[in-house]
Amino acid sequence: EPEVTQTPSHQVTQMGQEVILRCVPISNHLYFYWYRQILGQKVEFLVSFYNNEISEKSEIFDDQFSVERPDGSNFTLKIRSTKLEDSAMYFCASSVGAVRTGELFFGEGSRLTVL
Amino acid sequence: GENVEQHPSTLSVQEGDSAVIKCTYSDSASNYFPWYKQELGKRPQLIIDIRSNVGEKKDQRIAVTLNKTAKHFSLHITETQPEDSAVYFCAAKVRIQGAQKLVFGQGTRLTINP
Repeated sequence: EPEVTQTPSHQVTQMGQEVILRCVPISNHLYFYWYRQILGQKVEFLVSFYNNEISEKSEIFDDQFSVERPDGSNFTLKIRSTKLEDSAMYFCASSVGAVRTGELFFGEGSRLTVL
Repeated sequence: GENVEQHPSTLSVQEGDSAVIKCTYSDSASNYFPWYKQELGKRPQLIIDIRSNVGEKKDQRIAVTLNKTAKHFSLHITETQPEDSAVYFCAAKVRIQGAQKLVFGQGTRLTINP
């Protein structure tokens, strides 16, 4: 069964460092998302990406965040200068169509710890 | 803005009993409502979803009901088993300026007591 894969599974970094989280969405999917989940809290939408551009971003997704689809398979989330409050589990997700018509498939997540 | 409220935050039931989790949403244009199960340290997994043209949907021991007028939907788990213990999240699809996203509820930690 195809699935969304994410690397790394866990990353520890110092405050102020840059972090890149990588995702490989399911191959025939067209919509890509990043969500985050602070420990013990709900899953929060960060950004959606379609047709090689951001279609929507939340207020959390400020100038320190960026996304990229550098080739036909990878989808990355970059945090330029990490803050302590960026510590969370980051989930990549993809869907065939827009959420209405396609189920959202989540990756296993990348746990980011900022010290 | 869009908001999804979920209750209760924790729920403990005896094995074999039923569990009900309720959510309300604010965006009247929402028309897709999935439920996710998340086990400790793992990804959210879709367990059932309902679209706005359906009032109720059932899949074995799991059912979801939707009341569009009242803007609330509920998850019902019957004959609960220990493996049902997890955190459950409801979500509503919100459409803004052509884009679409899921807004999640706060989650319900369900514990099934043997």
